[in-house]
Amino acid sequence: EIVMTQSPATLSVSPGERATLSCRASQSVSSNLAWYQQKPGQAPRLLIHGASTRATGIPARFSGSGSGAEFTLTISSLQSEDFAVYYCQQYNNWPQTFGQGTRVEIK
Amino acid sequence: QVQLVESGGGVVQPGRSLRVSCAASGFTFSNHGMHWVRQAPGKGLEWVAVIWSDGSNKYYTDSVKGRFTISRDNSKNTLYLQMNSLRAEDTALYYCASSEEDGPLESWGQGTLVTVSS
Repeated sequence: EIVMTQSPATLSVSPGERATLSCRASQSVSSNLAWYQQKPGQAPRLLIHGASTRATGIPARFSGSGSGAEFTLTISSLQSEDFAVYYCQQYNNWPQTFGQGTRVEIK
Repeated sequence: QVQLVESGGGVVQPGRSLRVSCAASGFTFSNHGMHWVRQAPGKGLEWVAVIWSDGSNKYYTDSVKGRFTISRDNSKNTLYLQMNSLRAEDTALYYCASSEEDGPLESWGQGTLVTVSS
């Protein structure tokens, strides 16, 4: 099984600042990498797929990059509604696997 | 508007069985792969199983192989997860989610809580 490792575990950011989240795969997943956002008490929401393609309705301040085994999610200017937990997921191999999550909190 | 509504969760004793369901609407259910993803209380997401649109392929995470069975009824737009030999570590909120076969999880339900406890 492919192990996905996210860093940091917690990121403290002030509103309006940039946030950079990392995700590393234990082997190449090509560009078959997605990012999800989860707020307390809510289901996850797809943000990014194909490593860099925003899902429908996702604001342009969210961007994804990377391929192979190293990926990044960038939130260019954090809004109040962006404070949440973010998960990466590979869907290149079965079983699909998630990272452990990065919590983005208000500094 | 895509809607996925899970049901069937509850409290069950270790070693017993439970079946959870997911009713789909607002999209062509028979054209989409369907997944179960779980989240233990206060923990992260764990992918559990997938079934392809026509039911021809199924995959499971190792920890549930041989105990859980995913199935679907395209005539009823409903996804199922039959869970046997339940363990305390299966306690979680179980989400269903849709995808383009082996793609990312595009739409999610709100989950049904399964608690395994004596």
